[in-house]
Amino acid sequence: GAVVSQHPSWVICKSGTSVKIECRSLDFQATTMFWYRQFPKQSLMLMATSNEGSKATYEQGVEKDKFLINHASLTLSTLTVTSAHPEDSSFYICSARGEAYEQYFGPGTRLTVT
Amino acid sequence: AQTVTQSQPEMSVQEAETVTLSCTYDTSESDYYLFWYKQPPSRQMILVIRQEAYKQQNATENRFSVNFQKAAKSFSLKISDSQLGDAAMYFCAPQMGSARQLTFGSGTQLTVLP
Repeated sequence: GAVVSQHPSWVICKSGTSVKIECRSLDFQATTMFWYRQFPKQSLMLMATSNEGSKATYEQGVEKDKFLINHASLTLSTLTVTSAHPEDSSFYICSARGEAYEQYFGPGTRLTVT
Repeated sequence: AQTVTQSQPEMSVQEAETVTLSCTYDTSESDYYLFWYKQPPSRQMILVIRQEAYKQQNATENRFSVNFQKAAKSFSLKISDSQLGDAAMYFCAPQMGSARQLTFGSGTQLTVLP
């Protein structure tokens, strides 16, 4: 149990375009999901906390107009990178919080902006 | 702000031997959870073990155990009978704050030598 999926697993987009990443909890409902960014050989940095039915809470330094987060249902949160630039290239990971405060992670999405 | 320190960027252990990964953190909270996650080359985050701060007894999960020293704010992970499959990046992650978000340490890259 407690499986989280992400789609796509890998995406290449051109500079200036937008890309959407989906995060789904497959076998449980998650009122809270988290979005992280990870650069090579670095740790996970929390970008935002996504709560179902309300606005996301962004960490300091994260542009909320650039990284749009929508948590429309108890099993789906989306991250849209708008007007992507090469510096947005990274590995994006989502997680969903279970009942015991544990976080279950998706497999991640590798974004490359050319 | 919470800070998490993993002072060992890299560690190596001989197969079947025991290794301990260190983690210290800073928080003003009294009720929180602590986790160790591993990230193999696939980059999928895998929960290794969790500890509730209110419990004095150290958590154990098969070959994995922790040494939790609440007053010292220390949370080390011991891996016994190391196996080749244990090779991964290990992250210490206290869970604190109103949204129970994880704060990740910088990670320890563990190599298991055959």
